[in-house]
Amino acid sequence: GQNIDQPTEMTATEGAIVQINCTYQTSGFNGLFWYQQHAGEAPTFLSYNVLDGLEEKGRFSSFLSRSKGYSYLLLKELQMKDSASYLCAVKDGDYKLSFGAGTTVTVRA
Amino acid sequence: IAGITQAPTSQILAAGRRMTLRCTQDMRHNAMYWYRQDLGLGLRLIHYSNTAGTTGKGEVPDGYSVSRANTDDFPLTLASAVPSQTSVYFCASSDSIDGYTFGSGTRLTVV
Repeated sequence: GQNIDQPTEMTATEGAIVQINCTYQTSGFNGLFWYQQHAGEAPTFLSYNVLDGLEEKGRFSSFLSRSKGYSYLLLKELQMKDSASYLCAVKDGDYKLSFGAGTTVTVRA
Repeated sequence: IAGITQAPTSQILAAGRRMTLRCTQDMRHNAMYWYRQDLGLGLRLIHYSNTAGTTGKGEVPDGYSVSRANTDDFPLTLASAVPSQTSVYFCASSDSIDGYTFGSGTRLTVV
């Protein structure tokens, strides 16, 4: 089976930086994804890592270490609209996505 | 239609009733998926289809069935609903290279 772990909740101040960690143990690996999900809405794609290293996209960056089964999502210059759940997902050997339970980030003024 | 359309948006269903959740995509993606999302458990895969005419079981398939008669449609059927099937259901599609595109979800309450 798949095992994907991420913290349940995180709180940060507007303008600050928050790092959401994700560890995984899966049968096969074909990439790691981060999704953002606002309350009552569908998940939307944020980032994709298939090789080790850092991928930067504006205020959001994602890092992957395949040997450690580890990724993080870095949110910089936090804004109130960044309050949401962030889902770590791994594409397994059968190319299906398995999701962690999600990390709820609350941004305070 | 742009992307994935799910219907209904929400539904209250009596236990024991049959219900079909509809999902249609216009992106010509080969693969489609059904997930349920429950508080504290995240998204769990119910059934999937890698291409029209084929389906497979995911992590939590019991009590659900799917069909894939064509590329665009992937309905999910609850043959006899039970309260534990109360959840938010998301349909998704993929071109197998990138990640998934999700529909807006169906909130189902079984009473």
